[in-house]
Amino acid sequence: GQSLEQPSEVTAVEGAIVQINCTYQTSGFYGLSWYQQHDGGAPTFLSYNALDGLEETGRFSSFLSRSDSYGYLLLQELQMKDSASYFCAVNTGFQKLVFGTGTRLLVSP
Amino acid sequence: DADVTQTPRNRITKTGKRIMLECSQTKGHDRMYWYRQDPGLGLRLIYYSFDVKDINKGEISDGYSVSRQAQAKFSLSLESAIPNQTALYFCATSAAVGTYNEQFFGPGTRLTVL
Repeated sequence: GQSLEQPSEVTAVEGAIVQINCTYQTSGFYGLSWYQQHDGGAPTFLSYNALDGLEETGRFSSFLSRSDSYGYLLLQELQMKDSASYFCAVNTGFQKLVFGTGTRLLVSP
Repeated sequence: DADVTQTPRNRITKTGKRIMLECSQTKGHDRMYWYRQDPGLGLRLIYYSFDVKDINKGEISDGYSVSRQAQAKFSLSLESAIPNQTALYFCATSAAVGTYNEQFFGPGTRLTVL
């Protein structure tokens, strides 16, 4: 079977740092992606890790450890607009994505 | 103009009806995908297509069919809709090659089957 586990909800205050973890068990693995989805909106791409290590894109960073089947998304200097759902997704081959169930991030003033 | 468009944006139908959801893209991508999203379950892949002559089943294809009419168009059909197909449906596209394997999603179609 295929499964990705991530926390259902995370809360934080503006300006803080938050980490959203994702552990996966899939039949194939070519990389781990992160997508952001605001309420009523479409998922939008944030980052992709094919190799172990940290990828940084502005306030967002993503980490992957293939040996641990684990990754995380790190959001720094949180802003109210970061309140959204965040999904990890495994590329199981040929860009077929298996998504986690999502983490709802609530940022308060 | 939006790169990936879906029609209709909302649809209410009755059990047993045939319904088609349409997706068009102007990104010039070869690869197109259909997902459904249910609360608490994330997105699940229904079908995907890597070019006009290539159609593949995803993890939840039962009860659905697709047609790739052109590189830019990929439609999803429910031959006989049932209430548990009530969900939010997303079309997505991606380039055949790319560093980040990024998928670009349409705005979604909210389907309700009564």
